[in-house]
Amino acid sequence: EPEVTQTPSHQVTQMGQEVILRCVPISNHLYFYWYRQILGQKVEFLVSFYNNEISEKSEIFDDQFSVERPDGSNFTLKIRSTKLEDSAMYFCASLKGSYNEQFFGPGTRLTVL
Amino acid sequence: GENVEQHPSTLSVQEGDSAVIKCTYSDSASNYFPWYKQELGKRPQLIIDIRSNVGEKKDQRIAVTLNKTAKHFSLHITETQPEDSAVYFCAASKLGGSQGNLIFGKGTKLSVKP
Repeated sequence: EPEVTQTPSHQVTQMGQEVILRCVPISNHLYFYWYRQILGQKVEFLVSFYNNEISEKSEIFDDQFSVERPDGSNFTLKIRSTKLEDSAMYFCASLKGSYNEQFFGPGTRLTVL
Repeated sequence: GENVEQHPSTLSVQEGDSAVIKCTYSDSASNYFPWYKQELGKRPQLIIDIRSNVGEKKDQRIAVTLNKTAKHFSLHITETQPEDSAVYFCAASKLGGSQGNLIFGKGTKLSVKP
């Protein structure tokens, strides 16, 4: 069964550094999402992406964040200048059509020192 | 925007008992309500979902009910087993548009004691 994949599984970075988290959604899916989960807390929506543009973003998704789908398979989340509070698990998700369920990737644990 | 409240935050039951987790949502336009199970360090896994045109849905030991008027929905797990122990999240979404982002509740840590 096809799955959403994410790399790396764990990323450690210094405060102020840029990070890029990568996701490969399921191949025939059209809608893509990033969520984050701070340790022990709920999953929070960051951004949705459809038809090569952002369709919605939360207040967490400020100017330090950006998303890109550089080719037909990858979907990336960039954090330009990481802060300590960006430490979290970041999940990518994809959706086939607007009436289907979302499938989550295994997550990338980001640790900002 | 949508806000989802979930109760209780922790729930401990004996193996074989039933467990009920309740959620409320604020946006009457939400029409899709999935439940996810998350084991420690793993991704959320969809266990059951319900759409707003249905009041109840059942899948073996798991059932979900939806009351659109009251804007609340519940997860029922019967004959609980130790492997049901995990954190359960409810969520709400508006399917059919270009968004579909999920708004999650804070989660319920379910412990099933053998």
